[in-house]
Amino acid sequence: DIQMTQSPSSLSASVGDRVTITCRASQSISSYLNWYQQKPGKAPKLLIYAASSLQSGVPSRFSGSGSGTDFTLTISSLQPEDFATYYCQQSYSTPPGITFGQGTRLEIK
Amino acid sequence: QVQLVQSGAEVKKPGASVKVSCKVSGYTLTELSMHWVRQAPGKGLEWMGGFDPEDGETIYAQKFQGRVTMTEDTSTDTAYMELSSLRSEDTAVYYCATATIVVVPAAMLPFDYWGQGTLVTVSS
Repeated sequence: DIQMTQSPSSLSASVGDRVTITCRASQSISSYLNWYQQKPGKAPKLLIYAASSLQSGVPSRFSGSGSGTDFTLTISSLQPEDFATYYCQQSYSTPPGITFGQGTRLEIK
Repeated sequence: QVQLVQSGAEVKKPGASVKVSCKVSGYTLTELSMHWVRQAPGKGLEWMGGFDPEDGETIYAQKFQGRVTMTEDTSTDTAYMELSSLRSEDTAVYYCATATIVVVPAAMLPFDYWGQGTLVTVSS
């Protein structure tokens, strides 16, 4: 199975900061990489698909890049509503199936 | 615009089964690849299985094979996920999710619509 490793696992930042979260796949997944934001008690929300495409309605301060095994999610200027947990997801190899990263918790400093 | 509305919370005893439903509106179920993802309390997201648009078959995560069954009732546009032989570790919120974005390969499965989640508690 393809393993997805996110770093860091948690991150403290301030409003206005630029933040980067990394996701590494255990083998190449081309651009089959999606990013989600999840707030407590809510379903995940799709932010970025196909590694770098911004989902409709998502603010342009969110961006994604990468291909192969290394990917990044960048928030250019943190807003108060961005404090949440972020997950990457690959679907390159199905079967055996879809895997998520373990999550990155973004907290207010 | 897709809406996914799930059934309510369940409390089950160890060894029992649970069946969670996901009612689709805005699309027909036959137009969608429905998947199920769960999240244990304080933990991350875990994919359980779903419809593989490349092969046209339902695939299950190896961890759940033999214990999970995903079905669909196209007459009511309702998807179901049944998990058997429940144990305490199955306590989690269970989500249905689907991908409607058409500008990427169907297999890329970016889940742009999610149900509200169903809490399943397994306790004696």
